[in-house]
Amino acid sequence: AQSVAQPEDQVNVAEGNPLTVKCTYSVSGNPYLFWYVQYPNRGLQFLLKYITGDNLVKGSYGFEAEFNKSQTSFHLKKPSALVSDSALYFCAVRDTGRRALTFGSGTRLQVQP
Amino acid sequence: DARVTQTPRHKVTEMGQEVTMRCQPILGHNTVFWYRQTMMQGLELLAYFRNRAPLDDSGMPKDRFSAEMPDATLATLKIQPSEPRDSAVYFCASGLIITGAPFSGNTIYFGEGSWLTVV
Repeated sequence: AQSVAQPEDQVNVAEGNPLTVKCTYSVSGNPYLFWYVQYPNRGLQFLLKYITGDNLVKGSYGFEAEFNKSQTSFHLKKPSALVSDSALYFCAVRDTGRRALTFGSGTRLQVQP
Repeated sequence: DARVTQTPRHKVTEMGQEVTMRCQPILGHNTVFWYRQTMMQGLELLAYFRNRAPLDDSGMPKDRFSAEMPDATLATLKIQPSEPRDSAVYFCASGLIITGAPFSGNTIYFGEGSWLTVV
């Protein structure tokens, strides 16, 4: 069965600094990986996905993610954090059997001014 | 701007009452998912439909939960009778999933959720 792990419950970073939110995956076959963001009292918004091709994927709001097959990781990154980036971030993997998404436990990003 | 629409946004009900949550998927999407979000369990898949047919409801408590798609523009999730442990945020999501393709990386889009409190 496919799964993702987000090892950090919370990440704190100062505004203007680079940020990284970690995700590792476990799949059989090719991984289809996604990042979503959830702002308070809102639904999940799609940020980016990796299906195939370049290991560096660019997404919305200046976010990018690096797919690393040898480390089975798909870390979310941004060169310069904004206070408005503070939210809950979810990594997800497509279950190739059910075609649904299996989500990680989420990482709360707190960007301090 | 296409979006998944869910109603109600917020619902407070008494234990034992019936609760119905509704979802309008994005026009043209053939797959609809119901997820539940709680602090303890995170995001759990309850059920999903493709072309209105239920494909998987293994994540759903069968005795009290039911999910249907009366037509392509409406999906419903019903709880009867509701219990306090059902308090959660229920998300509907939709996507265009192409079956039989070598891969299916189509994006799934979420609604704003139905925030349910059962007292």
